[in-house]
Order: sequence, then structure tokens, then C-alpha cells
Amino acid sequence: SAVISQKPSRDICQRGTSLTIQCQVDSQVTMMFWYRQQPGQSLTLIATANQGSEATYESGFVIDKFPISRPNLTFSTLTVSNMSPEDSSIYLCSVQTGGAGELFFGEGSRLTVL
Amino acid sequence: GEDVEQSLFLSVREGDSSVINCTYTDSSSTYLYWYKQEPGAGLQLLTYIFSNMDMKQDQRLTVLLNKKDKHLSLRIADTQTGDSAIYFCAENNSGNTPLVFGKGTRLSVIA
Repeated sequence: SAVISQKPSRDICQRGTSLTIQCQVDSQVTMMFWYRQQPGQSLTLIATANQGSEATYESGFVIDKFPISRPNLTFSTLTVSNMSPEDSSIYLCSVQTGGAGELFFGEGSRLTVL
Repeated sequence: GEDVEQSLFLSVREGDSSVINCTYTDSSSTYLYWYKQEPGAGLQLLTYIFSNMDMKQDQRLTVLLNKKDKHLSLRIADTQTGDSAIYFCAENNSGNTPLVFGKGTRLSVIA
């Protein structure tokens, strides 16, 4: 398993601003994943963050809108840029450390954009 | 593409058993998972089952897998109010790809 800390846990943001979410893991991991959970919806993968290389984005997500950093094997950030109310979601950081491919999640960062 | 379907709501009385169902489309899934999300929290891994197993039991939780019908269920015995949460089914068809999640089933436990 892994212990994952995210911050902020929640924030209220103004339209047009940007917010950076931090994710810290208690062990070294190769890949970190960023998911979005819109209200009442399931989880959608935004991107996979690999240390030492550019993040890999899923269809519908672009680097200009969701830049990701991965400076070392225990830390990553996700920035939500130029926010609009449609970006109001829970953003979840996760890692895959188990032998069965299971994911472990942080507590999430709940963003509300006004 | 991969798809995971769940019913959205389930309501049970305290002390009864809950059964949450899930269907998936990817026949190459090697593991299937159940996660629990309490209000305001992240997802907590409850249990998982390897695709060559039919059943897995862990205390009050029983997972049944029908690989032929691509049907997965989670049974919670003696359901308590603390079990009220959203339960997500997920699949993974290899060890190196992230999971695909269903929309989640909101379990309400009535005292």
C-alpha cells in the first residue's frame, strides 16, 4: 500500500485563475496518475506522470490546460489552468504499488470554480 | 473499448445483506476491484479478485465473479450505517495500465 497526501484538500477559485495541486507519496513510485471526478460521476484519467519525462495525457486532456510536474519519485503536481466552472471537480492523485495492479488514492482536492 | 456498468443506487436496512452488482466488457481483465468512497474522501480499496477465481471472502465482504457473463458482485453481510458510501467497481487488463471505473453505486443504509 501507499500513503498519499494531497493539498489543498479543497479550494474555491475565481474563473480565469490557475491552481496547483500537490501530491506527496510516502514511497518511491515509477508512475503517478491524476484522475478527475466530476460531481456524481465516475473517475476519468487525466494523465500519467512519469519521473524524468513528459506526462502522458488521455484523450480530451491537454498539457496547456493541465500541466503536470514530476520532479522526483515521490512528488507530483497538477495545475488546472485558466479555470472555468466546468473545472469544478474532485482531482485525485493515485499510485499503483501493489502486485495486483491496484491503485491507491489520495484524499482528493475538491475544487469549486465560481 | 473497456466499459464498466453499475446500478447507481441501492438502499438496504441495517442488518440486512447488500449486494452491489457490476458488469464489464473487457474479457482480458486479469483483476477486478471494489473501492469505497465515503463523503469528502478519496477512494479506499476494499478488495480485489483475480480473474481465475470465482469467489473471495474477507470478513463481511464476499466477491463473486462470473467470468463467462462478465459479472462481478460485492456482498456486504450485516450491513451497518457506516457502510453507507459510494462503491466503485474497476477492472485492469494488465499490470501496467491504470484502472477503468464504473460510475459507482450509492449505498444507503436505513437504520
